[in-house]
Amino acid sequence: EDQVTQSPEALRLQEGESSSLNCSYTVSGLRGLFWYRQDPGKGPEFLFTLYSAGEEKEKERLKATLTKKESFLHITAPKPEDSATYLCAVGVGYSTLTFGKGTMLLVSP
Amino acid sequence: KAGVTQTPRYLIKTRGQQVTLSCSPISGHRSVSWYQQTPGQGLQFLFEYFSETQRNKGNFPGRFSGRQFSNSRSEMNVSTLELGDSALYLCASRKLRGESPGELFFGEGSRLTVL
Repeated sequence: EDQVTQSPEALRLQEGESSSLNCSYTVSGLRGLFWYRQDPGKGPEFLFTLYSAGEEKEKERLKATLTKKESFLHITAPKPEDSATYLCAVGVGYSTLTFGKGTMLLVSP
Repeated sequence: KAGVTQTPRYLIKTRGQQVTLSCSPISGHRSVSWYQQTPGQGLQFLFEYFSETQRNKGNFPGRFSGRQFSNSRSEMNVSTLELGDSALYLCASRKLRGESPGELFFGEGSRLTVL
């Protein structure tokens, strides 16, 4: 059975305190690993797609990396506006995404 | 460019009733997927529609159904509501089914409360 596990469930950081979120997965026929950001009361917003081990993508203070079994979302010098739930998902087949339960990030000023 | 629009945003129903949720995808997007989000289970795939045909279905009972119209708008229906159906129902669209399965544009969701 395809599984995606995210850790930690919640993370509290001080502004400027860098950290990483983890997403581990077991899936057959991986068609990409995806990171989303979800703000309270909103739908998820797409951030990154990673397809192969060793691949990295960056956007502002965020960098996503991928190995054969896990992905990391590194947050460098976070700001309060980075507070959100970060969701990891794996693509299986042409149309199905299996999501992790997310990491709720709170960045305090 | 308008995003994915879902209506209604909030609704309250009682057990045994049925509900219909609507989704208008981004203009030009032909694939529409539905997801259920709950605190305990997270986001779970319900189904995907493309060109008015259901292409894939998640592991949900037959009480959950949907359809897509020729203008790509989609509806999902839940019959005989149960307390456990309380959730945020999210619709997502993408342009072509053959594209990356994960680069989806989500609406803000319809929050269903079943009493």
